Amino acid sequence: AQRVTQPEKLLSVFKGAPVELKCNYSYSGSPELFWYVQYSRQRLQLLLRHISRESIKGFTADLNKGETSFHLKKPFAQEEDSAMYYCALAENSGYSTLTFGKGTMLLVSP
Amino acid sequence: KAGVTQTPRYLIKTRGQQVTLSCSPISGHRSVSWYQQTPGQGLQFLFEYFSETQRNKGNFPGRFSGRQFSNSRSEMNVSTLELGDSALYLCASSLAPTGELFFGEGSRLTVL
Repeated sequence: AQRVTQPEKLLSVFKGAPVELKCNYSYSGSPELFWYVQYSRQRLQLLLRHISRESIKGFTADLNKGETSFHLKKPFAQEEDSAMYYCALAENSGYSTLTFGKGTMLLVSP
Repeated sequence: KAGVTQTPRYLIKTRGQQVTLSCSPISGHRSVSWYQQTPGQGLQFLFEYFSETQRNKGNFPGRFSGRQFSNSRSEMNVSTLELGDSALYLCASSLAPTGELFFGEGSRLTVL
């Protein structure tokens, strides 16, 4: 069965510092990986997906099939980046069936 | 346009009762999926519907069921409630099963 692991429950950094939120997965097929974010008092929303290979709000994520990782990175953290971040994996059957990691809370201090 | 709407937002039930939760997707979205969120297990997939057909089901007991109507609105039902069913139930909609998921605010169920 597929599994998504986010090893850090909490990541605390200062504004301007680099950020790396870790995500490792196990899946026997060809994975589709996503990062979802939930800001305080807002709904869970898509941040980025690996097939788009785009940068959203300064965040990037590269799928490393050799290391089965999909880490989320940002070179300079901002206070507004403080949120809960979830890594998710989609089965071959479609993107609506997602396996989520347990999430990492990112706190960016001034 | 209006987002995904879930009702009720909060509810309290006792063990053994049943509950029905409702989800209205974004207009035009035909795919609806449900997730259970708890502090211990995190977000877990319940089921997914597209054009009134269940496409996929997560690893939950048969007490958990759902359906989708012709207008794409969806309901999920939990029968014979247990304390462990206390959770935030999230609904998400997308244009198609391979589309971006848009989540609702959730229905918070407390089982006493």
